[in-house]
Amino acid sequence: NAGVTQTPKFRVLKTGQSMTLLCAQDMNHEYMYWYRQDPGMGLRLIHYSVGEGTTAKGEVPDGYNVSRLKKQNFLLGLESAAPSQTSVYFCASSYPTGTLRTYEQYFGPGTRLTVT
Amino acid sequence: QQQVKQSPQSLIVQKGGISIINCAYENTAFDYFPWYQQFPGKGPALLIAIRPDVSEKKEGRFTISFNKSAKQFSLHIMDSQPGDSATYFCAASAGYSSASKIIFGSGTRLSIRP
Repeated sequence: NAGVTQTPKFRVLKTGQSMTLLCAQDMNHEYMYWYRQDPGMGLRLIHYSVGEGTTAKGEVPDGYNVSRLKKQNFLLGLESAAPSQTSVYFCASSYPTGTLRTYEQYFGPGTRLTVT
Repeated sequence: QQQVKQSPQSLIVQKGGISIINCAYENTAFDYFPWYQQFPGKGPALLIAIRPDVSEKKEGRFTISFNKSAKQFSLHIMDSQPGDSATYFCAASAGYSSASKIIFGSGTRLSIRP
């Protein structure tokens, strides 16, 4: 059981380039989330999905797009990278089953992205 | 708008001491208050969580104290150990009505001195 995995682990982009970050989970979770983590700002939600084929905007969605074509995968795309998107990106998943721990989100190891 | 405010930003505690991190929230619709622990180079992981119908939750050396009327909650780490050195995030969620989204505080970097 790998849990939540993210690829790549590190990436350097030039301004204007595009890329896709891949998140995969093998826990059969319904909900998936993309966050960015910046110093002193905690984790901020970019986009999320409550099921296959559905996506919704989070707190900081501008400049990002997402897709959830398969239940186990959640893709985050940057169409035209900007230096302000330099950050560490985390994917998370959860499965609501009616108990306290079901709000628990399981996080991947993160992707460190630098945009020059 | 910062819905969950966390303090201090950093904290240094001697081994064996008590570490205390405080958080305050604004949205009264929140019904789930977790704390996440993050080690360098890793993703956050759930440490302990509480619902607002209880005032305290204890798991081993970790305790959440919750004050619903003041809209504040705190994490206490008893007998702090060097292995507790990490970044801690308080958080809040309104549960299923908000797709189980979690709002995180800004984080506290805790260092336990041997």
